[in-house]
Amino acid sequence: DVKVTQSSRYLVKRTGEKVFLECVQDMDHENMFWYRQDPGLGLRLIYFSYDVKMKEKGDIPEGYSVSREKKERFSLILESASTNQTSMYLCASRDSSTNEKLFFGSGTQLSVL
Amino acid sequence: EDQVTQSPEALRLQEGESSSLNCSYTVSGLRGLFWYRQDPGKGPEFLFTLYSAGEEKEKERLKATLTKKESFLHITAPKPEDSATYLCAVQASASKIIFGSGTRLSIRP
Repeated sequence: DVKVTQSSRYLVKRTGEKVFLECVQDMDHENMFWYRQDPGLGLRLIYFSYDVKMKEKGDIPEGYSVSREKKERFSLILESASTNQTSMYLCASRDSSTNEKLFFGSGTQLSVL
Repeated sequence: EDQVTQSPEALRLQEGESSSLNCSYTVSGLRGLFWYRQDPGKGPEFLFTLYSAGEEKEKERLKATLTKKESFLHITAPKPEDSATYLCAVQASASKIIFGSGTRLSIRP
């Protein structure tokens, strides 16, 4: 069965800390995504990676960076966490040959205090 | 501007009471419309993809339809286990997938 695994289910960090969110997929998908989900705002794209070492900014990249050194792993980095980055973070992957459905991880609920 | 609007925000139904969820969209070039189901504390799970007006897809008690401006997710004789948030998304390009805010569906036994 297809699987996207996010390293932490819940995370609590302090303002100013550097935060790493990890995502691993086992489907050999080229495309990977990082979204954040906030009540009433839906899912908003932070970064998209279309292949290893390739990335594209999404709608809200400010305050975030990403790393894709291996095909299966896509990391989201909060350089200096702020309270307005408290959110649910969702990672997803997709087969680029079909450009079809996204496979999501279970999400990381990040609280920045 | 590309946009996806879902209505209603929340819907409470009695078990067996059929209804429909709406997804209205404006997008410069539709490359697919998707429906996902999301349970509390979990990531969205894929339900359907629709590509062209007039297309319909069915799965158990759910049926998705598509016109040039909107999509409907019809739920027939729902059960409590159908309670979830249903998300609509449109794909405008390979990287641009615009999600609606979702409809929270609650089915009372």
